[in-house]
Amino acid sequence: AQSVSQHNHHVILSEAASLELGCNYSYGGTVNLFWYVQYPGQHLQLLLKYFSGDPLVKGIKGFEAEFIKSKFSFNLRKPSVQWSDTAEYFCAVNAPDKLIFGTGTRLQVFP
Amino acid sequence: EPEVTQTPSHQVTQMGQEVILRCVPISNHLYFYWYRQILGQKVEFLVSFYNNEISEKSEIFDDQFSVERPDGSNFTLKIRSTKLEDSAMYFCASREREIRDTQYFGPGTRLTVL
Repeated sequence: AQSVSQHNHHVILSEAASLELGCNYSYGGTVNLFWYVQYPGQHLQLLLKYFSGDPLVKGIKGFEAEFIKSKFSFNLRKPSVQWSDTAEYFCAVNAPDKLIFGTGTRLQVFP
Repeated sequence: EPEVTQTPSHQVTQMGQEVILRCVPISNHLYFYWYRQILGQKVEFLVSFYNNEISEKSEIFDDQFSVERPDGSNFTLKIRSTKLEDSAMYFCASREREIRDTQYFGPGTRLTVL
């Protein structure tokens, strides 16, 4: 069955700390992977996506994610978070033309 | 930058009533979607729509649900007889053409069924 797992439900960090949010997927077809972010009161916005090629993808606002096929993972990273990164983060897989989302990770960054 | 818009932002209805949620996708987009998110749960796919017909629908999308593109700009989701468990945030999304194209999401409509 197609599924996406995000193991961190709530992450609390201080500014300048490094971030890594876990995402594992289960999908038998060609994998297209996404990270979306939802800032408080706003709609889902694309952070980055992976379709093929370099497994390390860079997105907006200094985020990056690495696709590791052998681990079925697509973890999101940022070396130094800011207060403005406080949001909910969703990992998703395209299966093949609908997005299957994880449960989301709520990130709170304190100054 | 073009955006997907949705109206209303919040809809309150009585159980058994019909509701229509409206979306205006980005103008040159060809593929349209509805998703929903029950409070505290994950975002779930409901239906995809292309060329004036449903491409795919989930198990959630039963006979109580329907979608329509009544004109060149709007894309609607109708729930014929709402149930308490239909209370959720409903998101519309659209993408341009290729499967690699990003799905852009609207701000959502919060539906509360009393």
